[in-house]
Amino acid sequence: KQEVTQIPAALSVPEGENLVLNCSFTDSAIYNLQWFRQDPGKGLTSLLLIQSSQREQTSGRLNASLDKSSGRSTLYIAASQPGDSATYLCCGAGSYQLTFGKGTKLSVIP
Amino acid sequence: DAMVIQNPRYQVTQFGKPVTLSCSQTLNHNVMYWYQQKSSQAPKLLFHYYDKDFNNEADTPDNFQSRRPNTSFCFLDIRSPGLGDTAMYLCATSRDDRGYTFGSGTRLTVV
Repeated sequence: KQEVTQIPAALSVPEGENLVLNCSFTDSAIYNLQWFRQDPGKGLTSLLLIQSSQREQTSGRLNASLDKSSGRSTLYIAASQPGDSATYLCCGAGSYQLTFGKGTKLSVIP
Repeated sequence: DAMVIQNPRYQVTQFGKPVTLSCSQTLNHNVMYWYQQKSSQAPKLLFHYYDKDFNNEADTPDNFQSRRPNTSFCFLDIRSPGLGDTAMYLCATSRDDRGYTFGSGTRLTVV
């Protein structure tokens, strides 16, 4: 059974800092890995999707990597902004089921 | 824009009174999912439809049912809501197993 762990559980940084969110998963037979953002009381917004054959994806200030052999993914956020404050969820996909980590709650302080 | 739309955005229902949540999609994705997310927890899969085939998770209570009358729509029926069913309900879609798109969710409160 796939398990996804996210470290840290919470992170507070000053505006402008670069930061890395970490995710590890137990089953390397992952189909793809997807990072989501969730604002309080809202749904999930997809940030980046990495297929199992890929090693990274980039969108604007966001870069996500995937290392299946070590069971790790990272989400890099460059030049953080207060609007980046949210909970970030790492999710492993396979067999029509997403396995979620518990998330990293990010606060970017102006 | 192609998207996943959930209605209503907020729903308050009385204990034991049946309630239906709806989800529609314009992505023409063949798979639709319902997730339950309680406060400060990760979303939990209730069931999914692969085309017309219904797949229930083993630990989903019988109180939860779903209908998918066509490709675009999927409904979540809670037959007799309990206080413990207060949660955010999230609908998601995918084309086979390739990336998921979520709706904005319905926040259900059982009183």
